[in-house]
Amino acid sequence: DVQLVQSGADVKKPGESLTISCKTSGYSFTTMWITWVRQTPAKGLEWVGRIDPADSHTDYGPSFQGHVTFSADTSITTAYLHWPSLEASDTALYYCAITSRQSDTLMLWGQGALVTVSS
Amino acid sequence: DIVLTQSPLSLPVTPGESASISCRSSQSLLHSNGYNSLDWYLQKPGQSPQLLIFLGSHRAPGVSDRFSVSRSGTDFTLKISRVEAEDVGVYYCMQVLETPFTFGQGTRLEIK
Repeated sequence: DVQLVQSGADVKKPGESLTISCKTSGYSFTTMWITWVRQTPAKGLEWVGRIDPADSHTDYGPSFQGHVTFSADTSITTAYLHWPSLEASDTALYYCAITSRQSDTLMLWGQGALVTVSS
Repeated sequence: DIVLTQSPLSLPVTPGESASISCRSSQSLLHSNGYNSLDWYLQKPGQSPQLLIFLGSHRAPGVSDRFSVSRSGTDFTLKISRVEAEDVGVYYCMQVLETPFTFGQGTRLEIK
């Protein structure tokens, strides 16, 4: 079975860095994109962006460009979302999802990782 | 950015009746491949979103044929026939025609 298992909840202070992970299994890692989605009560679901594990090509949503970075390690079929400097407004639930190359559809979502940023 | 507007935002339904959710796009979602680049997801309480419909009107594997989509121009309607208790949750549409991909606000379906 295809699975995505995300890292656990994190509590950080503003200005700190953070990396969350998305461990995949059950399919060929380089055949599908990994998309990141943010969920907050105020704004609902937002497309953070995506990474192609085959060549590390990335696309970022305008609100996230320059604030986060994606990476992927093909040896352990894991994708990462990194913040070099967190802000309180980054507090949210973050999902990873495997994404079809043909239709850009988010085929299967991880369980989500809650990030809390508070002083 | 493409804006998706869902309505209603809350939808109480009696079991066995039908329900309809509208997703209106600010522009055409017709891809050059001939399909509409609109997907639908259901987020059940306490769970991650799950794929229901892709490429405008194609049901994902395992999705009941009680779910269907119709389109009129840039207005898409998700219809749920014979609503069941397991259909409860928040329904989202998402456009994947052009980045940044965007979501509708979500429609919360509840059982009366």
